[in-house]
Amino acid sequence: GAVVSQHPSWVICKSGTSVKIECRSLDFQATTMFWYRQFPKQSLMLMATSNEGSKATYEQGVEKDKFLINHASLTLSTLTVTSAHPEDSSFYICSASVGSSGANVLTFGAGSRLTVL
Amino acid sequence: AQRVTQPEKLLSVFKGAPVELKCNYSYSGSPELFWYVQYSRQRLQLLLRHISRESIKGFTADLNKGETSFHLKKPFAQEEDSAMYYCALSGSGGNKLTFGGGTRVLVKP
Repeated sequence: GAVVSQHPSWVICKSGTSVKIECRSLDFQATTMFWYRQFPKQSLMLMATSNEGSKATYEQGVEKDKFLINHASLTLSTLTVTSAHPEDSSFYICSASVGSSGANVLTFGAGSRLTVL
Repeated sequence: AQRVTQPEKLLSVFKGAPVELKCNYSYSGSPELFWYVQYSRQRLQLLLRHISRESIKGFTADLNKGETSFHLKKPFAQEEDSAMYYCALSGSGGNKLTFGGGTRVLVKP
């Protein structure tokens, strides 16, 4: 079946540094990927929609300069948390749509846990 | 705006007992509703979607547009059903999912 791989699965960084998280569709092409953020014991909050070959679409309240998204190929989207601060510590999850357009079925990555010291 | 509400954060039932997870939504158009499940130490995965009208692992969910609900039910819970369950909504014309707050189900032996 369709698999979405995220890397790294966890990362610890110092405040002020930038961290890049990769999301790959392993056996299918994904023109659209989604980035979610999940705080402890809370639900998933959509951050942005990553579109291959074009700019990402950010949800209201999400700083696009803070969370840089690049979707340069049909199998890879990256999320870069720039100048990370402790409040950016969270679980970041990507997903991709599988199947025909409009199928609305998402396959999720295992997530990346970011801890900013 | 679209919104999904799961009023119960935790449901604890005994093995063999029925379990029902409530989900209510708010959306002005015609939505697609989903239930996703996350087992311990595993990634989020699709359990079922309303347009499929199928039963997965003994779970069923019926979309009630009048009550704007999509409750998930299983007549006889099993210990392996212990997990986090999320109700999600997708508006027409797009894949963007809005998730509810999640319900943790604990099935006791």
